[in-house]
Amino acid sequence: EAQVTQNPRYLITVTGKKLTVTCSQNMNHEYMSWYRQDPGLGLRQIYYSMNVEVTDKGDVPEGYKVSRKEKRNFPLILESPSPNQTSLYFCASRSQGAYSPLHFGNGTRLTVT
Amino acid sequence: QQQVKQSPQSLIVQKGGISIINCAYENTAFDYFPWYQQFPGKGPALLIAIRPDVSEKKEGRFTISFNKSAKQFSLHIMDSQPGDSATYFCAASKGSSNTGKLIFGQGTTLQVKP
Repeated sequence: EAQVTQNPRYLITVTGKKLTVTCSQNMNHEYMSWYRQDPGLGLRQIYYSMNVEVTDKGDVPEGYKVSRKEKRNFPLILESPSPNQTSLYFCASRSQGAYSPLHFGNGTRLTVT
Repeated sequence: QQQVKQSPQSLIVQKGGISIINCAYENTAFDYFPWYQQFPGKGPALLIAIRPDVSEKKEGRFTISFNKSAKQFSLHIMDSQPGDSATYFCAASKGSSNTGKLIFGQGTTLQVKP
């Protein structure tokens, strides 16, 4: 089954404790991206990657890091999480064409206390 | 200029009624306008999309109406059903660009009452 898999689904952590949210896709997609979803703000892009070893900032990159060492994986790293990063996070992927649909994972709900 | 404004924030419709969600954009370079549907506990999924060479696109009970001069587009759900209860996001992008970054609206939570 074609899918984007995120782990974990739920995560509660404390301020400053480094964490990684994993994302993997099995559709051989070149493009991958991370979004955060907050009430009243919709989905905002954090980082994106056009292909292996090619990453770039989205609209809200502060406090986040990403890497793309393999085509299928695109982990999101919070090196020193803060309460304002409490949110619902989605990984997404699509094939190369910009008119191609984005395929989203089922989300990771992060709470930073 | 990158914003997409979506309204209403929430919507309650009776079963069989018409649900209408509106979006407005500013960047005239946008040329791809998808709508995504999100059920609780799931990620958004593409519902329907339109490009500005047509003013309307229909897929089953779902229709996008597009007004290029007003820089507005809307989603109409005919004969709304309880199973349509979800959050809907409009989006826009310059699909012809290298990155084709999607800019999402704020989302509309639709509840269809039986």
